[in-house]
Amino acid sequence: IAGITQAPTSQILAAGRRMTLRCTQDMRHNAMYWYRQDLGLGLRLIHYSNTAGTTGKGEVPDGYSVSRANTDDFPLTLASAVPSQTSVYFCASSDSFRRSSYNEQFFGPGTRLTVL
Amino acid sequence: SQKIEQNSEALNIQEGKTATLTCNYTNYSPAYLQWYRQDPGRGPVFLLLIRENEKEKRKERLKVTFDTTLKQSLFHITASQPADSATYLCALVYNQGGKLIFGQGTELSVKP
Repeated sequence: IAGITQAPTSQILAAGRRMTLRCTQDMRHNAMYWYRQDLGLGLRLIHYSNTAGTTGKGEVPDGYSVSRANTDDFPLTLASAVPSQTSVYFCASSDSFRRSSYNEQFFGPGTRLTVL
Repeated sequence: SQKIEQNSEALNIQEGKTATLTCNYTNYSPAYLQWYRQDPGRGPVFLLLIRENEKEKRKERLKVTFDTTLKQSLFHITASQPADSATYLCALVYNQGGKLIFGQGTELSVKP
């Protein structure tokens, strides 16, 4: 693994189903983030985690949950998917605790999710 | 709440010319501002950042300016090439290590 990986690459999901998007990084970054990207709206932060064991809500957290059991993994779960959650989801990480850090973020390739 | 605006219309320029992209924000100035490049079907890639006490930053053919009076950052690509075609995103950060607030991006197309 080099950088950040996300799985699956794409998914079509029936409304009401539960779905977990996976994200793994091998850079030992302390911080990880989940964004969704929609046409005309840009990237919006869903949830974040500054360190393993802690999480926080972003701009659009409703309908999503996250966990950070260790440094490398940051899964995003949709408990009961709705069509408005159709989007492209990006995971990112940063070494935000580094003294010289300005929180440059490294992004994964994204997961394209369609909820019907 | 803070708003960020980038040119919503795609920017089309001829190879060899300078591309200039704009990022405007409202309310209070960020501690620093970052620029990312995003290619179709891929995640954004960090390019460079500029702090509020810096007027200009350069990296190879890239130049970023930051005007806290105008509440604006300009991103320039000199001697543009077709390979520079992509969407460019600006992001504001209000404190060191803080969360990013992204603009919606501007699509740049460089024609040979």
